Amino acid sequence: AQTVTQSQPEMSVQEAETVTLSCTYDTSESDYYLFWYKQPPSRQMILVIRQEAYKQQNATENRFSVNFQKAAKSFSLKISDSQLGDAAMYFCAYRSAFSGNTGKLIFGQGTTLQVKP
Amino acid sequence: DTAVSQTPKYLVTQMGNDKSIKCEQNLGHDTMYWYKQDSKKFLKIMFSYNNKELIINETVPNRFSPKSPDKAHLNLHINSLELGDSAVYFCASSQGGLTSTDTQYFGPGTRLTVL
Repeated sequence: AQTVTQSQPEMSVQEAETVTLSCTYDTSESDYYLFWYKQPPSRQMILVIRQEAYKQQNATENRFSVNFQKAAKSFSLKISDSQLGDAAMYFCAYRSAFSGNTGKLIFGQGTTLQVKP
Repeated sequence: DTAVSQTPKYLVTQMGNDKSIKCEQNLGHDTMYWYKQDSKKFLKIMFSYNNKELIINETVPNRFSPKSPDKAHLNLHINSLELGDSAVYFCASSQGGLTSTDTQYFGPGTRLTVL
């Protein structure tokens, strides 16, 4: 069974600085997808960024980028120029690409990010 | 327009009661999900339906019964509520299939409190 681990329960960053959130996963599959979701205090789950395992190039979305290390099974999220609105809980998630999987997301424990003005 | 909506947003009830949470999506998606987020914020899949057919049932007690009257709706009925059922329940939907573009869109969540 696949597992996702976020070893940092809490992180903090100064506004305008850069912060990196860690995520590792365990799987025996070769093809899968990885996601970062953001959950602000409003509780809404918002997709931040996604990465296909077969792509070597790291995904980027504006100030958000990932460092995907397939061999190390590591998928970290870098937030550049942090803004107060980035304060939230961030979840790393895994989804298998195999047809038998049904598309369920497997989540990590989450990392709470505090942004200091 | 709200893409994935859930009602109610908050639900407070007594132990032993039966309650339902409704979910509707207007995205034209084929697949819908229920996730449970516990008090430690851990999110876990409960059920998934594809075109009204159950495709995931993750060892959830049979007091929980999902019902999909059509592919735009997936309701969750809970019988004989227990204290441990207190959590936030999220509905989500996706187009289905296994491509990277199959993003799951989440509803606002329903906070269930069992007293």
